[in-house]
Amino acid sequence: AQKITQTQPGMFVQEKEAVTLDCTYDTSDPSYGLFWYKQPSSGEMIFLIYQGSYDQQNATEGRYSLNFQKARKSANLVISASQLGDSAMYFCAMREGLYNAGNMLTFGGGTRLMVKP
Amino acid sequence: DGGITQSPKYLFRKEGQNVTLSCEQNLNHDAMYWYRQDPGQGLRLIYYSQIVNDFQKGDIAEGYSVSREKKESFPLTVTSAQKNPTAFYLCASSILWEGDTGELFFGEGSRLTVL
Repeated sequence: AQKITQTQPGMFVQEKEAVTLDCTYDTSDPSYGLFWYKQPSSGEMIFLIYQGSYDQQNATEGRYSLNFQKARKSANLVISASQLGDSAMYFCAMREGLYNAGNMLTFGGGTRLMVKP
Repeated sequence: DGGITQSPKYLFRKEGQNVTLSCEQNLNHDAMYWYRQDPGQGLRLIYYSQIVNDFQKGDIAEGYSVSREKKESFPLTVTSAQKNPTAFYLCASSILWEGDTGELFFGEGSRLTVL
């Protein structure tokens, strides 16, 4: 079974508008972490935002916010005021367990975001 | 600057040849990882290491080997036993500490093409 599911292979958004990228996860471990990474066409992976399973509030980092709905096991990324430079692949990832389990991340299949001028 | 250096960036290999991808980090991170990415897909874990002289198989370790003789270095060998080695390979590292998020820091990747 897929542990991380991203159901949107590709999305378009108009410049300056907000966009939500979906991510659902599956784990029975009560301790876990959720991450979003951006991968431009050059290939490097850029860390965007993190949400811990025990965090009470949704994480925010500048124009990025994570809509964490624990009961639904979803961790959607919201990008506000889209910019042309936001065009990239976006990956949701999960770490199960605490840091001493090794921090291995399981990645979803990604969503390609294209920002239209 | 602190970071992760992968080399080479591009590599071509003939079928039946082994090839070694280099990964060096100067972040003083305990853990290192190798991921494989196929076109249009997510990353899959090949191997990881939490400490020098110790490493564990990930989800797709068959046809690959690693070593961790120094904290800073985690080379990956793609052997001739790997049936479909053409892919983008990403090395990463992280801190192993209770107070840290466990974020992975990635290198720029190595693109391997088998001719």
